[in-house]
Amino acid sequence: SQTIHQWPATLVQPVGSPLSLECTVEGTSNPNLYWYRQAAGRGLQLLFYSVGIGQISSEVPQNLSASRPQDRQFILSSKKLLLSDSGFYLCAGRDGLNTEAFFGQGTRLTVV
Amino acid sequence: TQLLEQSPQFLSIQEGENLTVYCNSSSVFSSLQWYRQEPGEGPVLLVTVVTGGEVKKLKRLTFQFGDARKDSSLHITAAQPGDTGLYLCAGMSAGGYNKLIFGAGTRLAVHP
Repeated sequence: SQTIHQWPATLVQPVGSPLSLECTVEGTSNPNLYWYRQAAGRGLQLLFYSVGIGQISSEVPQNLSASRPQDRQFILSSKKLLLSDSGFYLCAGRDGLNTEAFFGQGTRLTVV
Repeated sequence: TQLLEQSPQFLSIQEGENLTVYCNSSSVFSSLQWYRQEPGEGPVLLVTVVTGGEVKKLKRLTFQFGDARKDSSLHITAAQPGDTGLYLCAGMSAGGYNKLIFGAGTRLAVHP
């Protein structure tokens, strides 16, 4: 079965510090991968998606970037965090044969 | 830009009542999915609808995809406290892209 591993579960970072969130996938090859951010009790805002190694599509211009150095690895980064970057970040994958997405457990980021 | 609008945003009902959640768009989707999310966790897939006019049932939950594949509804019969959670609709564009976008969610609270 397909599994997304996402870490850390919680993170507290000071304003201006860098960020690196990593997501790895098991159980499938060449998945579409996604990074979402979710405000408390609200829907998921699509930040980036990737259809293959080195291929990144950005949905929202902002203080974040994404990279996909390997087929099953998707990384969300920032050089300098802002207070507004706080939120719940979810990595998701979708097998090319199916339309359903499978999610990691999320990272709660608090920028202080 | 494709958008999915969900209504209502919040719903607070008593155990045993029926409810319907709506997901609407001006765009056509190749498929729509419904997810349920618990606090601090990733969304979990409930159902996928693919064919216009399709109706799927999952115990007390009934899902319908509009004939034009632009909207969907989730109906819960005789709601129970265990149904409490955030319900999200998500759609895959019909234009051959790989974006999976989500609605803003409906926060459901079922009181005993």
